[in-house]
Amino acid sequence: DSGVTQTPKHLITATGQRVTLRCSPRSGDLSVYWYQQSLDQGLQFLIQYYNGEERAKGNILERFSAQQFPDLHSELNLSSLELGDSALYFCASSRLSNEKLFFGSGTQLSVL
Amino acid sequence: SQQGEEDPQALSIQEGENATMNCSYKTSINNLQWYRQNSGRGLVHLILIRSNEREKHSGRLRVTLDTSKKSSSLLITASRAADTASYFCATAGGAAGNKLTFGGGTRVLVKP
Repeated sequence: DSGVTQTPKHLITATGQRVTLRCSPRSGDLSVYWYQQSLDQGLQFLIQYYNGEERAKGNILERFSAQQFPDLHSELNLSSLELGDSALYFCASSRLSNEKLFFGSGTQLSVL
Repeated sequence: SQQGEEDPQALSIQEGENATMNCSYKTSINNLQWYRQNSGRGLVHLILIRSNEREKHSGRLRVTLDTSKKSSSLLITASRAADTASYFCATAGGAAGNKLTFGGGTRVLVKP
Protein backbone atom coordinates (compact mmCIF):
# COMPACT_ATOMS: atom_id res chain seq x y z
CA ASP A 1 0.00 0.00 0.00
CA SER A 2 1.57 3.26 -1.19
CA GLY A 3 -0.54 5.45 1.08
CA VAL A 4 -1.97 7.33 -1.91
CA THR A 5 -5.70 6.85 -2.33
CA GLN A 6 -7.48 7.32 -5.63
CA THR A 7 -11.20 7.15 -6.21
CA PRO A 8 -13.02 5.81 -8.05
CA LYS A 9 -11.06 2.76 -9.24
CA HIS A 10 -13.18 2.40 -12.35
CA LEU A 11 -15.31 4.88 -14.23
CA ILE A 12 -17.42 4.25 -17.29
CA THR A 13 -19.03 7.20 -18.97
CA ALA A 14 -20.18 8.49 -22.34
CA THR A 15 -18.63 10.95 -24.77
CA GLY A 16 -19.34 14.56 -23.94
CA GLN A 17 -19.67 13.92 -20.22
CA ARG A 18 -17.63 15.35 -17.34
CA VAL A 19 -15.98 13.37 -14.56
CA THR A 20 -13.95 14.13 -11.45
CA LEU A 21 -11.12 11.96 -10.22
CA ARG A 22 -10.02 12.31 -6.63
CA CYS A 23 -6.67 11.76 -4.95
CA SER A 24 -5.57 11.78 -1.34
CA PRO A 25 -1.78 11.98 -1.00
CA ARG A 26 0.36 10.26 1.61
CA SER A 27 0.33 11.96 4.97
CA GLY A 28 2.84 14.80 4.96
CA ASP A 29 3.40 14.88 1.20
CA LEU A 30 2.95 18.35 -0.24
CA SER A 31 3.46 17.49 -3.93
CA VAL A 32 0.72 15.84 -5.96
CA TYR A 33 1.10 14.72 -9.55
CA TRP A 34 -1.34 13.50 -12.20
CA TYR A 35 -0.33 11.15 -15.00
CA GLN A 36 -2.26 9.58 -17.85
CA GLN A 37 -1.27 6.13 -19.07
CA SER A 38 -2.49 4.68 -22.33
CA LEU A 39 -1.14 2.02 -24.67
CA ASP A 40 -0.35 4.42 -27.49
CA GLN A 41 0.91 7.43 -25.50
CA GLY A 42 2.62 5.71 -22.60
CA LEU A 43 2.83 7.51 -19.27
CA GLN A 44 2.17 11.19 -19.82
CA PHE A 45 2.73 13.88 -17.20
CA LEU A 46 -0.31 16.10 -16.83
CA ILE A 47 0.23 18.46 -13.91
CA GLN A 48 1.93 18.88 -10.54
CA TYR A 49 0.81 20.80 -7.48
CA TYR A 50 2.88 21.75 -4.48
CA ASN A 51 1.08 22.85 -1.32
CA GLY A 52 -1.91 24.12 -3.25
CA GLU A 53 -0.02 25.88 -6.02
CA GLU A 54 0.48 24.67 -9.57
CA ARG A 55 4.16 23.74 -9.90
CA ALA A 56 4.51 22.27 -13.37
CA LYS A 57 2.28 21.61 -16.32
CA GLY A 58 2.63 18.94 -18.97
CA ASN A 59 0.56 18.07 -21.99
CA ILE A 60 -2.74 18.64 -20.23
CA LEU A 61 -5.64 19.36 -22.53
CA GLU A 62 -7.70 22.52 -22.05
CA ARG A 63 -10.70 20.27 -21.39
CA PHE A 64 -8.87 18.99 -18.31
CA SER A 65 -8.34 20.93 -15.11
CA ALA A 66 -7.03 20.14 -11.69
CA GLN A 67 -6.65 21.66 -8.28
CA GLN A 68 -5.16 20.92 -4.90
CA PHE A 69 -7.20 21.85 -1.86
CA PRO A 70 -6.01 23.19 1.52
CA ASP A 71 -6.17 19.69 3.01
CA LEU A 72 -3.79 18.68 0.15
CA HIS A 73 -6.15 16.31 -1.61
CA SER A 74 -6.42 16.89 -5.34
CA GLU A 75 -9.05 16.52 -8.01
CA LEU A 76 -8.67 16.11 -11.75
CA ASN A 77 -11.66 17.24 -13.78
CA LEU A 78 -12.10 15.90 -17.28
CA SER A 79 -14.83 17.46 -19.42
CA SER A 80 -16.27 17.06 -22.91
CA LEU A 81 -14.89 13.55 -22.83
CA GLU A 82 -13.79 11.87 -26.02
CA LEU A 83 -13.12 8.22 -26.81
CA GLY A 84 -9.41 8.96 -26.81
CA ASP A 85 -9.53 10.05 -23.18
CA SER A 86 -10.00 6.43 -22.15
CA ALA A 87 -6.92 5.64 -20.11
CA LEU A 88 -5.54 4.84 -16.69
CA TYR A 89 -5.12 8.01 -14.65
CA PHE A 90 -2.60 7.96 -11.85
CA CYS A 91 -2.10 10.28 -8.98
CA ALA A 92 1.20 10.32 -7.13
CA SER A 93 2.62 12.23 -4.21
CA SER A 94 6.05 12.96 -2.81
CA ARG A 95 7.70 14.73 0.09
CA LEU A 96 10.31 16.42 -2.08
CA SER A 97 9.41 17.72 -5.50
CA ASN A 98 10.15 15.24 -8.27
CA GLU A 99 11.82 12.71 -5.96
CA LYS A 100 10.58 9.27 -4.99
CA LEU A 101 6.96 9.44 -6.08
CA PHE A 102 4.39 7.20 -4.45
CA PHE A 103 1.66 6.21 -6.88
CA GLY A 104 -1.96 5.42 -6.24
CA SER A 105 -3.58 2.39 -7.83
CA GLY A 106 -5.14 4.52 -10.55
CA THR A 107 -8.55 5.26 -11.98
CA GLN A 108 -9.43 3.30 -15.11
CA LEU A 109 -11.56 5.61 -17.25
CA SER A 110 -13.57 4.15 -20.09
CA VAL A 111 -15.35 6.58 -22.40
CA LEU A 112 -17.96 4.84 -24.54
CA SER B 1 7.02 14.19 -25.27
CA GLN B 2 9.13 11.67 -23.40
CA GLN B 3 12.50 12.65 -22.08
CA GLY B 4 13.76 9.12 -21.50
CA GLU B 5 13.68 6.16 -23.82
CA GLU B 6 14.25 2.63 -22.56
CA ASP B 7 15.97 -0.11 -24.46
CA PRO B 8 15.07 -2.87 -25.07
CA GLN B 9 11.29 -2.52 -25.20
CA ALA B 10 10.94 -6.10 -24.03
CA LEU B 11 13.20 -8.66 -22.38
CA SER B 12 12.67 -12.33 -21.65
CA ILE B 13 15.06 -14.21 -19.36
CA GLN B 14 15.22 -17.30 -17.20
CA GLU B 15 15.00 -17.13 -13.44
CA GLY B 16 18.44 -16.65 -11.96
CA GLU B 17 19.80 -14.71 -14.93
CA ASN B 18 20.62 -11.02 -14.85
CA ALA B 19 18.44 -8.45 -16.59
CA THR B 20 19.88 -5.24 -17.96
CA MET B 21 17.92 -2.36 -19.42
CA ASN B 22 19.04 1.05 -20.58
CA CYS B 23 17.59 4.53 -20.56
CA SER B 24 18.69 7.39 -22.75
CA TYR B 25 17.59 10.97 -22.27
CA LYS B 26 17.92 14.17 -24.20
CA THR B 27 18.67 17.10 -21.92
CA SER B 28 20.55 17.77 -18.71
CA ILE B 29 18.94 16.41 -15.55
CA ASN B 30 19.08 16.74 -11.78
CA ASN B 31 18.25 13.13 -11.09
CA LEU B 32 17.15 9.95 -12.78
CA GLN B 33 14.81 7.46 -11.19
CA TRP B 34 13.71 3.91 -11.94
CA TYR B 35 10.22 2.62 -11.25
CA ARG B 36 8.55 -0.77 -11.58
CA GLN B 37 4.96 -1.38 -12.63
CA ASN B 38 3.20 -4.68 -12.29
CA SER B 39 0.45 -5.12 -14.85
CA GLY B 40 -2.10 -2.34 -14.57
CA ARG B 41 -1.03 -1.30 -11.09
CA GLY B 42 0.59 1.83 -9.74
CA LEU B 43 4.29 2.44 -10.24
CA VAL B 44 6.69 1.67 -7.43
CA HIS B 45 9.85 3.70 -6.92
CA LEU B 46 13.01 1.58 -7.04
CA ILE B 47 16.03 3.86 -6.93
CA LEU B 48 17.09 7.45 -7.51
CA ILE B 49 20.51 8.51 -8.77
CA ARG B 50 21.60 12.13 -8.82
CA SER B 51 23.47 13.78 -11.67
CA ASN B 52 26.70 13.88 -9.64
CA GLU B 53 26.58 10.14 -8.90
CA ARG B 54 27.84 7.41 -11.20
CA GLU B 55 26.59 4.22 -9.58
CA LYS B 56 24.12 3.19 -6.94
CA HIS B 57 23.05 -0.12 -5.43
CA SER B 58 19.91 -1.27 -3.70
CA GLY B 59 19.60 -4.96 -2.91
CA ARG B 60 19.72 -6.82 -6.24
CA LEU B 61 19.51 -3.57 -8.20
CA ARG B 62 22.45 -1.68 -9.63
CA VAL B 63 22.01 1.59 -11.45
CA THR B 64 24.65 3.48 -13.38
CA LEU B 65 24.50 6.98 -14.79
CA ASP B 66 26.69 8.42 -17.52
CA THR B 67 25.83 12.08 -17.92
CA SER B 68 28.29 12.52 -20.78
CA LYS B 69 26.34 9.95 -22.81
CA LYS B 70 23.00 10.95 -21.28
CA SER B 71 22.26 7.36 -20.41
CA SER B 72 21.55 5.12 -17.46
CA SER B 73 21.34 1.39 -16.97
CA LEU B 74 19.41 -0.76 -14.51
CA LEU B 75 20.76 -4.20 -13.70
CA ILE B 76 18.67 -6.72 -11.82
CA THR B 77 20.84 -9.59 -10.61
CA ALA B 78 19.67 -13.14 -9.98
CA SER B 79 16.20 -12.39 -11.31
CA ARG B 80 13.09 -14.02 -9.88
CA ALA B 81 9.66 -14.66 -11.38
CA ALA B 82 8.38 -11.87 -9.12
CA ASP B 83 10.59 -9.40 -11.02
CA THR B 84 8.28 -9.79 -14.02
CA ALA B 85 7.03 -6.25 -14.60
CA SER B 86 7.55 -3.13 -16.69
CA TYR B 87 10.44 -0.91 -15.70
CA PHE B 88 10.47 2.82 -16.37
CA CYS B 89 13.13 5.47 -16.10
CA ALA B 90 12.09 9.00 -15.18
CA THR B 91 14.07 12.20 -15.38
CA ALA B 92 13.66 15.51 -13.66
CA GLY B 93 15.22 18.89 -13.50
CA GLY B 94 17.88 20.50 -15.59
CA ALA B 95 16.70 21.60 -18.99
CA ALA B 96 13.53 19.56 -18.55
CA GLY B 97 12.46 21.93 -15.82
CA ASN B 98 10.12 20.89 -13.04
CA LYS B 99 8.47 18.05 -14.89
CA LEU B 100 9.18 14.43 -13.96
CA THR B 101 8.80 12.62 -17.25
CA PHE B 102 8.81 8.90 -17.89
CA GLY B 103 10.14 6.81 -20.73
CA GLY B 104 8.18 4.17 -22.59
CA GLY B 105 9.35 1.34 -20.33
CA THR B 106 10.95 -2.07 -20.71
CA ARG B 107 8.70 -5.11 -20.26
CA VAL B 108 10.61 -7.84 -18.44
CA LEU B 109 9.43 -11.43 -18.35
CA VAL B 110 11.26 -13.75 -15.98
CA LYS B 111 10.47 -17.38 -16.77
CA PRO B 112 10.61 -19.89 -13.90
